[in-house]
Amino acid sequence: KQEVTQIPAALSVPEGENLVLNCSFTDSAIYNLQWFRQDPGKGLTSLLLIQSSQREQTSGRLNASLDKSSGRSTLYIAASQPGDSATYLCAVSLISNSGYALNFGKGTSLLVTP
Amino acid sequence: IAGITQAPTSQILAAGRRMTLRCTQDMRHNAMYWYRQDLGLGLRLIHYSNTAGTTGKGEVPDGYSVSRANTDDFPLTLASAVPSQTSVYFCASSDSGHSSYNEQFFGPGTRLTVL
Repeated sequence: KQEVTQIPAALSVPEGENLVLNCSFTDSAIYNLQWFRQDPGKGLTSLLLIQSSQREQTSGRLNASLDKSSGRSTLYIAASQPGDSATYLCAVSLISNSGYALNFGKGTSLLVTP
Repeated sequence: IAGITQAPTSQILAAGRRMTLRCTQDMRHNAMYWYRQDLGLGLRLIHYSNTAGTTGKGEVPDGYSVSRANTDDFPLTLASAVPSQTSVYFCASSDSGHSSYNEQFFGPGTRLTVL
């Protein structure tokens, strides 16, 4: 079974700092990896998807990297803002009996203080 | 409709009652999924459907059933609710075709409390 771990579980930073969220997974035979944002009481918003053949993806102030061989991904947030405060979830997709269903980490809760 | 809708938004249910959570998507995605999210356990897959007319079991399927009569709808039924089914339920969909690389999109969730 694919295990997905996110470190740290919680993070508090002052506004303007650059920060890195970490994700590791046990089975390197992934199809893709997605990073999501979840605000309290809300659904999941897809931030970035990295295909298994890619090394990184960028969207605005966000950059996600993927190292399949070591089973790691990082989400880099540049110039953090209070509006970035949310829980960030990492999820990996395997080609398995469950189609392309996602295996989720438990998330990193981010607080950006003004 | 834009994206994925779920109904109801929240529900309080007596144990032993039957309940169907509704999910509809308008993106013509072939694959749909049901996950539950619990504090400390994260999101776990309940059931999935790779295409209309087919369904499969995920990690935590016991006590739940699904059907996929058409592309757009994927209802989740609790035949006889128990308190351990208190959770937030998310429906998701994806186009598993090569060009989209199966990016999953999520609905707003249903918060279910079983007493």
